Amino acid sequence: QSVLTQPPSVSAAPGQKVTMSCSGSSSNIGKNYVSWYQQLPGTAPKLLIYANNKRPSGIPDRFSGSKSGTSATLGISGLQTGDEADYFCAAWDNSLSAVLFGGGTKLTVL
Amino acid sequence: EVQLVESGGALVQPGGSLRLSCAASGFTFSSYEMNWVRQAPGKGLEWVSYISSTGYTIVYADSVKGRLTISRDNAKNSLYLQMNSLRAEDTAVYYCTRIWGTSNEVFDVWGQGTMVTVSS
Repeated sequence: QSVLTQPPSVSAAPGQKVTMSCSGSSSNIGKNYVSWYQQLPGTAPKLLIYANNKRPSGIPDRFSGSKSGTSATLGISGLQTGDEADYFCAAWDNSLSAVLFGGGTKLTVL
Repeated sequence: EVQLVESGGALVQPGGSLRLSCAASGFTFSSYEMNWVRQAPGKGLEWVSYISSTGYTIVYADSVKGRLTISRDNAKNSLYLQMNSLRAEDTAVYYCTRIWGTSNEVFDVWGQGTMVTVSS
């Protein structure tokens, strides 16, 4: 059981916007940055968002991140079928002295 | 091209040992902190271990403490994971990852992964 809680799945139509949440606590998200990773089927994860809302070079601005209190949100606009993937949040936990990942959210583009 | 390539995954019996390797190329390996992250079949990601750029600072997840040992050889641009007393729950794809910047949870480069199966 992950300490960072993500909904198991979300879905939306092509062209629409979707958001997915990542809920933690004061020892992780509440005090530290959040990163987000995209894992396409059969591939290694890829960094999408770091420091809550920053995008690495090459990541389109359709992907956005935000954080409020002990929760973080990943948003994807202009959905494409190629966005179908598992999305994981991550944060450092001060109490556990460990990196925590969420359980992952599977995005389906209908 | 910045690249991480893992090797060493195999089928091993419970209680057995295995050594994973990760070959780095395309960047100055000795300047970067590194990690191992694993993913059990059909499951989410689990951080396993961290090592500083010099190798002096090492951190483990509680689930692997005392059984898995991370190390690096900067002269060979390589990261290692020595796995002892393996259990069925260690079955997973093991990814070698590079930390970007100063935040421990920002993994900007991932290898393709190597599969470890612990079964009799």
